[in-house]
Amino acid sequence: AQSVTQPDIHITVSEGASLELRCNYSYGATPYLFWYVQSPGQGLQLLLKYFSGDTLVQGIKGFEAEFKRSQSSFNLRKPSVHWSDAAEYFCAVPSCSARQLTFGSGTQLTVLP
Amino acid sequence: DGGITQSPKYLFRKEGQNVTLSCEQNLNHDAMYWYRQDPGQGLRLIYYSQIVNDFQKGDIAEGYSVSREKKESFPLTVTSAQKNPTAFYLCASSERRDGANVLTFGAGSRLTVL
Repeated sequence: AQSVTQPDIHITVSEGASLELRCNYSYGATPYLFWYVQSPGQGLQLLLKYFSGDTLVQGIKGFEAEFKRSQSSFNLRKPSVHWSDAAEYFCAVPSCSARQLTFGSGTQLTVLP
Repeated sequence: DGGITQSPKYLFRKEGQNVTLSCEQNLNHDAMYWYRQDPGQGLRLIYYSQIVNDFQKGDIAEGYSVSREKKESFPLTVTSAQKNPTAFYLCASSERRDGANVLTFGAGSRLTVL
C-alpha cells in the first residue's frame, strides 16, 4: 500500500537559517508527491507538487522539494526561514486507488527569533 | 473567489447528540472529502465522494455518515455511535490534474464533546 513517513515530529530552527524537512514514501510506481502546510487552527494549503519531469520542484513561499527515486524521498527545503513559516508541514502521496491522498503524520516547525 | 466553506468553525456537543458539519465548495470540483485530524496522527480519511449521489467509506467511517445530493455540498454527520468525536475536521475537494487529484482544503471545524 502507498504510504509516507515523516521521521521528524518537531523541528526548531532560527530565523534566517536553512530548513530541510524529510519525507520518505512507499509507492508502487513513479509517484505523485505533495507538500502541504497548515497554520494553527487552519486548513491545509498546497505548497508544491511533483508529477513528473524535473526532480527539483519549486513551490510557493520560497519552498522547493527534490524527488530522489533512489532514496524514496521528497524532502522539502527553504534556504532562509522566516518567522511566518512556523506551521505544521505534511507530505502526501495518492492512495492505491489514486482517488484520494494519504498523508504523513506531519512535522511541526518552530522558528526562533 | 472560489473556495471551500466549512461551518461552524467551532462546535460543542453533549454526549449522545448527533451533529452535522457543513461543507460547501464553489470550485466546480467533482470530488469531495472529509478528513479527521488528531494531534500527532496526521489526517485520516472518513468519507469521500467522486460524484453526486455516490460516496465511499474511508479508513475511519464508523460513527459517521455523509450525503452528496448536490455537487457543491458534502455534509458530514457525527453520530452518537462515534466513540471519540472530539477532533478537528477538514473538508476538501479536488480536481484531476495530469492523472492525480490535487486537493483544496477548507479552514476546518473543531468539534468538542462535553
